[in-house]
Amino acid sequence: NAGVMQNPRHLVRRRGQEARLRCSPMKGHSHVYWYRQLPEEGLKFMVYLQKENIIDESGMPKERFSAEFPKEGPSILRIQQVVRGDSAAYFCASSPSGGANTGELFFGEGSRLTVL
Amino acid sequence: RKEVEQDPGPFNVPEGATVAFNCTYSNSASQSFFWYRQDCRKEPKLLMSVYSSGNEDGRFTAQLNRASQYISLLIRDSKLSDSATYLCVPARRSGGSNYKLTFGKGTLLTVNP
Repeated sequence: NAGVMQNPRHLVRRRGQEARLRCSPMKGHSHVYWYRQLPEEGLKFMVYLQKENIIDESGMPKERFSAEFPKEGPSILRIQQVVRGDSAAYFCASSPSGGANTGELFFGEGSRLTVL
Repeated sequence: RKEVEQDPGPFNVPEGATVAFNCTYSNSASQSFFWYRQDCRKEPKLLMSVYSSGNEDGRFTAQLNRASQYISLLIRDSKLSDSATYLCVPARRSGGSNYKLTFGKGTLLTVNP
């Protein structure tokens, strides 16, 4: 019974390159959330998606960041032209929908991005 | 004012000690409340939900005071394995079945032998 799967677990990029982080939610979960955690900081909400829809992207930086959750396949968080300040752990979480959703989030192990 | 404020910590306690964490939240629309724990360089995991009447799960007791917008977590007879960062997490509905969780910065607990 796989939990939330994220890959890659570690990613190293040079400034100006693109980073793509992938997340497959738990089986039966239709809600996906992305959070960012900077070193020594708390988790900051970035975006909430359902299949083919962005529901809330109020935490996403206005430029260079985008997210999608296609009908088939994992959710993807894309960071274009990375800068050193993008170095962080990016956590994906999922939850079920409807009445089964109690607010609890199930997290993946995170993807750690290092920008050189 | 930050949405979630927690004791800054760190807390260093001996095994067997009782330790309490406090948390205040600013959004009165918050409806659900959780404590998560996060081990070093790991993902957050749910420790327990917090109910209005207060609830207990083994050595852990959570309390909620909606009027004061205050949440607490008490750990009795602490174990080495309790060493982690404890995150206070209020949540509110944000359209449909969406919950928006806001994570506190967390309080680091180290239990020493």
